[in-house]
Amino acid sequence: KNQVEQSPQSLIILEGKNCTLQCNYTVSPFSNLRWYKQDTGRGPVSLTIMTFSENTKSNGRYTATLDADTKQSSLHITASQLSDSASYICVVSQQGAQKLVFGQGTRLTINP
Amino acid sequence: NAGVTQTPKFQVLKTGQSMTLQCAQDMNHNSMYWYRQDPGMGLRLIYYSASEGTTDKGEVPNGYNVSRLNKREFSLRLESAAPSQTSVYFCASSDLEGGREQFFGPGTRLTVL
Repeated sequence: KNQVEQSPQSLIILEGKNCTLQCNYTVSPFSNLRWYKQDTGRGPVSLTIMTFSENTKSNGRYTATLDADTKQSSLHITASQLSDSASYICVVSQQGAQKLVFGQGTRLTINP
Repeated sequence: NAGVTQTPKFQVLKTGQSMTLQCAQDMNHNSMYWYRQDPGMGLRLIYYSASEGTTDKGEVPNGYNVSRLNKREFSLRLESAAPSQTSVYFCASSDLEGGREQFFGPGTRLTVL
């Protein structure tokens, strides 16, 4: 069964600290993996996309990694800011499929 | 461009009432989707439309119907609302370009009493 598992479910860190969110998937055949950010009360917004041949991609203070062999991805946030408080959702696309497979998300809270 | 818009933003229904959630996109996307989001369960696909004139069931279609009115608009109808349909509903659209990135609307928060 195609699944996406994220950890931790929730995380609280102090402003300025770094953190790493994890995503494991069993989706096959793999097409791409996206990390979405969802602010409270709003729809998800794509942060970055990883394809099979990409290992690392950065978007400002966000760095995503992908290990296609172990089917794992991570999202690293550097020098966290209060505005980083949100849910982060890992979403995997299957080749030839219209539908996406969503993880349950990690709820990140940044405290001052 | 407004992107994906949804109406209404909030709605309270009594059990058995019906309503239609509206969604429109101005990005000329072929595909549109309806999701529900419940605490601890992530986003679950209700119905989707790969292109104008087609609709298909997703993971949780029971109790819902959809209409792809034209390329821009995709509506979700609850014929007889139940408390189990209390949720936040998101509409999204995508196209082949950009690796099928889905663009989401702001959501509709529905409560069924």
